[in-house]
Parts: sequence; structure tokens; C-alpha cells
Amino acid sequence: DARVTQTPRHKVTEMGQEVTMRCQPILGHNTVFWYRQTMMQGLELLAYFRNRAPLDDSGMPKDRFSAEMPDATLATLKIQPSEPRDSAVYFCASGLGGVGTEAFFGQGTRLTVV
Amino acid sequence: AQRVTQPEKLLSVFKGAPVELKCNYSYSGSPELFWYVQYSRQRLQLLLRHISRESIKGFTADLNKGETSFHLKKPFAQEEDSAMYYCALSGLQGGSEKLVFGKGTKLTVNP
Repeated sequence: DARVTQTPRHKVTEMGQEVTMRCQPILGHNTVFWYRQTMMQGLELLAYFRNRAPLDDSGMPKDRFSAEMPDATLATLKIQPSEPRDSAVYFCASGLGGVGTEAFFGQGTRLTVV
Repeated sequence: AQRVTQPEKLLSVFKGAPVELKCNYSYSGSPELFWYVQYSRQRLQLLLRHISRESIKGFTADLNKGETSFHLKKPFAQEEDSAMYYCALSGLQGGSEKLVFGKGTKLTVNP
């Protein structure tokens, strides 16, 4: 049963520290999304990739956030420096791309910045 | 720009009652619309998509282009339907497709 895997599942860090979240998309999927989930804003699209190339990262605060796909089996989302307002659940999803195709979600990384 | 609006953050019904979760969208092209569901302690998963016109777990959703709506309905709610529901739109923006979600509606079905 192929699934999107995210690590770590939980992360507590101090303000100012660097945070790296990792995602392993489903093998063969060429599209990867990063979302942030909060009570107030719901699911916000931060960035997404097609064939490892960033297509859109307009939802991401550029000064502190960065997203990369070093290879087809790994996507990373980094926050440096982290702030308390970054506390949220971060989801990765992958899919076969194209309008109308299903996105398969990981279990998320719950980030708490104190 | 693509936008999805779910006007109700919380919705509470009794078991056996009909339920309707509202979703409105804003998109200049021809949209592809979805409902995703997140049960407690589970990952977000696809419930249904408008293009397949199917009923999943008793839920249906009809795309109304005139009203730009894609409301999710079930005639008789069950306790196991309690979950967070997200309406989503997939469409082209700036030459690439985006999958944008509404803020979600938390459905509670009471016994």
C-alpha cells in the first residue's frame, strides 16, 4: 500500500532554530505539494513541484521558508529562523499531476515553536 | 485567482438527519472540484470528485456552475461521518495547475 511518508511526525523547537521537514512521495508520482494547516486558515498551499522543479511557491514566506526536491524520492521544507507563528501542521501530498488528479496526503508534521 | 469558500466552520447534526456542507468557488475556467475528508487521527483523503459523479459513503455532490457551488450532501448522517471536510478546486493558474482548498467544515454527528 503506497503512502506518502513525512518525518518527523512531531517537532518542538525554540524560536530562532532551523526546522527541516521531510517528505517521501509515492513512487512514480511527479507532483509534490506542501500545505500548512491551522485552525484559522485551514489548508494553505505553500509550494508545489512538478518533476522536481518548483512551479509555484507564492504561498510561502520567502524570507524564512524554503522548499526543495533534491531527488525524486525526497522533498524538504525548511524554516530558518522559526517563529511561534509557524506553529501548525505541515502536510505533504503527491500526485500524478494534471488538473483533476487526486492528491495523496502524508500524515503531517506537527510543528510547535516555543 | 482560484478561491474556495466554505462558509461554515462547524456543523452539528443528529444521527439520521440530512446534512449539507456548503462549498462555493471562484475560478474563471472550467473547474475540477473535490471533497476531501480527514477523520480523527487519519490522513486527509479524497472522498469524491465531481467528474466521476459517484456516491461515496452515501455522500453526493453536484457541481452547479450557475451558482458556482459544489455542496456535499447526505440524506441520513451517521456518527462515523464526524470529521473535517475540505472542498478543493484544481485548475490552471499562471500556466500550471494548482490544488486549492477551502478552510474546512468540522462536521459532528450526534447520537
